[in-house]
Order: sequence, then C-alpha cells, then structure tokens
Amino acid sequence: GAGVSQSPSNKVTEKGKDVELRCDPISGHTALYWYRQSLGQGLEFLIYFQGNSAPDKSGLPSDRFSAERTGGSVSTLTIQRTQQEDSAVYLCASSQDRGYTGELFFGEGSRLTVL
Amino acid sequence: QQQVKQSPQSLIVQKGGISIINCAYENTAFDYFPWYQQFPGKGPALLIAIRPDVSEKKEGRFTISFNKSAKQFSLHIMDSQPGDSATYFCAASPGGWGKLQFGAGTQVVVTP
Repeated sequence: GAGVSQSPSNKVTEKGKDVELRCDPISGHTALYWYRQSLGQGLEFLIYFQGNSAPDKSGLPSDRFSAERTGGSVSTLTIQRTQQEDSAVYLCASSQDRGYTGELFFGEGSRLTVL
Repeated sequence: QQQVKQSPQSLIVQKGGISIINCAYENTAFDYFPWYQQFPGKGPALLIAIRPDVSEKKEGRFTISFNKSAKQFSLHIMDSQPGDSATYFCAASPGGWGKLQFGAGTQVVVTP
C-alpha cells in the first residue's frame, strides 16, 4: 500500500489478556517506530527498528511490552497481561532511513481499550 | 518527565487570524525540531521542520521561529483557515532522527 497500515484499528480486551498489534510499513522504509498516544497527551516513544540492527527498546514502559520485526518489514507489538493504563492509541511510523530529514510517516493507529 | 513543553493546550482563532503555538526544551543535544499536524482519527503528519542553524523557516502560511539561546521555538499559522483545525505537536530529537520527544499537543479550532 501507499501508506503505513496498522491493524486492528480498534481492539477492546479484558484486563489480563494479551494483545498483538500489527504494523505494515511503507515499502522500502528501513526504519520503523512504535509510539503510544494517551488521551490528551503527546506521543510517547516506545521502540525503534533500523534494518538488521538490534532494536532500541529504551521507551518500552515495562517488560509486559515487546515488539519484533520480521524480514525487515512487518512489525508486531505485543502487550502481555494488559492493564487499564495500557489503554491508548498505538501508532506505528516508518521512515526511509536514519537520515537527517527525520520525517516519520505514521499509520492511523490501533486504539486499545482495556476493560 | 516531559522534555518538550508545549503551550497553549488549546486555542480558538477566527478565520484569517494568526495562530501561535509555543514550545520550550531543556536538552541542548536536540538539533531537529519538527511540527506535526494531526486530524481526528488520523496519524500525525509532518508539517514543517527546522534545524538550529536558522532562526526562521517559512512554508506557505506556516512559519517556525527558533530561539536557540532561549531554547524555545514556535509555530505561526498565518491567515488561519477552518481546514487548519487540528491538533499540532511540536517535537525535538538529537541528530535529526525519528526518536522524537513530543510536546503534549495544541488543539486549534478555526471558526468561520
């Protein structure tokens, strides 16, 4: 597709369940990012993948959060044992490389609601 | 703690007026300052960006002013239009890459 694709667009789950959120970046983009946007707040960096390098996981809020990127393309963000404070919009972005333009292309996000 | 502080939280401006959003930062390693625009239900999109070697950058009706000594930068939207109604986020990063620190956002409403 032309843009970053995320699925599901909406996910409602019960506290304690695991969830998986998927991101399909723009073809040819080597860098992929996950951000979290909580209600009324800015975007919070979670994790960054660049090519075959080890990911930068410095923004993950707890060990319940993990992410992987397969084949340098699709990425999955997994939240284990979800808590109510995990409710947010999870945004994925990709960029061509780690170049100085820094422009991120965002998907429309996956809205997660934990009951 | 929030490394980029943004104000105001919201503003209402009449069509044709000027919208001004301010941001301040502390980390002197930041050297890339983008602004992103977000419409409801959509992801943010890059609007305009500046590096600290210039004090101002203009693209159409949008201007970034940058004050390195004060560690502040602002977005001016001239001749605001109803289609500009959106949430605007300032951000900053070291080295110009995508691990951005975002401000909390400003919801702009332009009335007809």
